[in-house]
Amino acid sequence: NAGVTQTPKFRILKIGQSMTLQCTQDMNHNYMYWYRQDPGMGLKLIYYSVGAGITDKGEVPNGYNVSRSTTEDFPLRLELAAPSQTSVYFCASSYSPFTNEKLFFGSGTQLSVL
Amino acid sequence: EDQVTQSPEALRLQEGESSSLNCSYTVSGLRGLFWYRQDPGKGPEFLFTLYSAGEEKEKERLKATLTKKESFLHITAPKPEDSATYLCAVQAPYLNSNSGYALNFGKGTSLLVTP
Repeated sequence: NAGVTQTPKFRILKIGQSMTLQCTQDMNHNYMYWYRQDPGMGLKLIYYSVGAGITDKGEVPNGYNVSRSTTEDFPLRLELAAPSQTSVYFCASSYSPFTNEKLFFGSGTQLSVL
Repeated sequence: EDQVTQSPEALRLQEGESSSLNCSYTVSGLRGLFWYRQDPGKGPEFLFTLYSAGEEKEKERLKATLTKKESFLHITAPKPEDSATYLCAVQAPYLNSNSGYALNFGKGTSLLVTP
């Protein structure tokens, strides 16, 4: 059972470039999340999705976009990359946030914008 | 405003030297307090959920406790393999409350256990 899979693991972008971080889960979870983790800071929620076709903004959504066309996949799009987006990005999933279900995290994507 | 504060930021222990990590929170109407372990280069891994003051949960050398204002993660006779960053999180309402609750994470405590 693969759980939550993120690709790529590492990426270097130039300022102004765009890219998509991929996330897929095989647990049939309805809820999926994107977090970013900066050194010495807590995980911050970027976007979340409650099911296919439904997404909403988290705490720090500016500069990012998401889509959810299937239950399994939740890609994160960076448009016009900026140095402030240098971070480690984690995708996570859960069955439901209403029942205190634990989150399952992917192994992360380390992104540098230079 | 910070809802979750963890201390200390970093802790170095000798193998076998027991200690505690602290997580204080200010969210009202706690729906759950979570502890996660994060190894370098990996995503957080779930350890415990605590729901009400007085509750305790144990896993191997780890014991988590909860009061009305804080949680402690007690590490008894730690081993080098316990070295990791320990994250605390509480559930907080989403901006859109119809969508449930997100986890609000603290900054973590980086634990190093030396032989």
